[in-house]
Amino acid sequence: SQQGEEDPQALSIQEGENATMNCSYKTSINNLQWYRQNSGRGLVHLILIRSNEREKHSGRLRVTLDTSKKSSSLLITASRAADTASYFCATDAVLGAQKLVFGQGTRLTINP
Amino acid sequence: DTEVTQTPKHLVMGMTNKKSLKCEQHMGHRAMYWYKQKAKKPPELMFVYSYEKLSINESVPSRFSPECPNSSLLNLHLHALQPEDSALYLCASSQDPGASYEQYFGPGTRLTVT
Repeated sequence: SQQGEEDPQALSIQEGENATMNCSYKTSINNLQWYRQNSGRGLVHLILIRSNEREKHSGRLRVTLDTSKKSSSLLITASRAADTASYFCATDAVLGAQKLVFGQGTRLTINP
Repeated sequence: DTEVTQTPKHLVMGMTNKKSLKCEQHMGHRAMYWYKQKAKKPPELMFVYSYEKLSINESVPSRFSPECPNSSLLNLHLHALQPEDSALYLCASSQDPGASYEQYFGPGTRLTVT
């Protein structure tokens, strides 16, 4: 079973606009991670946010975490064509578990 | 070196063949993972190796057999696969086992079973 559910499933925007993706999860977590996957390639780690953190930044990326709502969002500002990819959130399915469970992902398309 | 390498990049095999997928990392990571990913789906965990010992098997059919010869290498032996096993197989590693560590992924092996 999937721990994280992402919304929207697909998002298409113009270059330069901001893109926001959301992730909801079911159980308590220690942390939440976001990954990017270009078509048919391996995943690349973007950000890890811990359960006691509310917001984290990395370059043009901003991640928020609301543990009371069991949700997280990933904001990409000033999008570029190279940001076209699938984005997945991932959490520990069970506290302290040795594994990540990935959400269904959001397919982001940046139109030039 | 923060790279995870996987070979081969592509593999086509018949249902009676035996083949192996290979994964290598030189980051000194103590956890390694195999994932299976179908098109437009998230990666699904298959196996976790922690300190070279198999720690998680997600009820994977025995036609998939993992092996960790040393701390840098991870193999996935394939035998008598089914067409539905066609997928992208991803290897990953992390500093230590657990969801608190970022995982580094290889580029994957695209497997087609005919």
